[in-house]
Amino acid sequence: GEDVEQSLFLSVREGDSSVINCTYTDSSSTYLYWYKQEPGAGLQLLTYIFSNMDMKQDQRLTVLLNKKDKHLSLRIADTQTGDSAIYFCAETIGGGGNKLTFGTGTQLKVEL
Amino acid sequence: SAVISQKPSRDICQRGTSLTIQCQVDSQVTMMFWYRQQPGQSLTLIATANQGSEATYESGFVIDKFPISRPNLTFSTLTVSNMSPEDSSIYLCSVLAPGGGADTQYFGPGTRLTVL
Repeated sequence: GEDVEQSLFLSVREGDSSVINCTYTDSSSTYLYWYKQEPGAGLQLLTYIFSNMDMKQDQRLTVLLNKKDKHLSLRIADTQTGDSAIYFCAETIGGGGNKLTFGTGTQLKVEL
Repeated sequence: SAVISQKPSRDICQRGTSLTIQCQVDSQVTMMFWYRQQPGQSLTLIATANQGSEATYESGFVIDKFPISRPNLTFSTLTVSNMSPEDSSIYLCSVLAPGGGADTQYFGPGTRLTVL
């Protein structure tokens, strides 16, 4: 079956780096995504990585994929108070973005 | 990417009634999806809505409870029928659209439903 796990909560100080982790069980995942959900809002796509890559960088965001361990992480450099939100990893199996399986979500709190 | 709007943004409904949620996208898309996010939980896919065919429902969701329409390539509705307090959730639609080299899902802002 498909199971995507995340730690529930992360607290960091403003200006520090945040690392949000995700583990998944389905080795046939083709794309893995990170979404951000701010309070009372929908989901905002942050970034994605194809399963044959091990790293992707996009401005303050760095995604690392360890396919052997089925481990995905999102690093946010210079974390700001506006980064406080819930972060969901998600995976798809097969082509494209069909049938996303979402992780449990990590609530990131950025403290001054 | 795609810009998606949903109506209503929130509603409070009585037990036993039905609510229809609308999803509008700013471009033509083949695939639209409906998700449910129960309080404090992650997202669960309800169904995939394809234009010109019946929606495909995930395990645990049935058409009688969550009828879906997809009359054209930019619009879909989800009805939550015969509501109970357990249906209190955020309902989100998403679309599959090109984005930076891969088809990805873009989400609407959600409809926050409270059933009394």
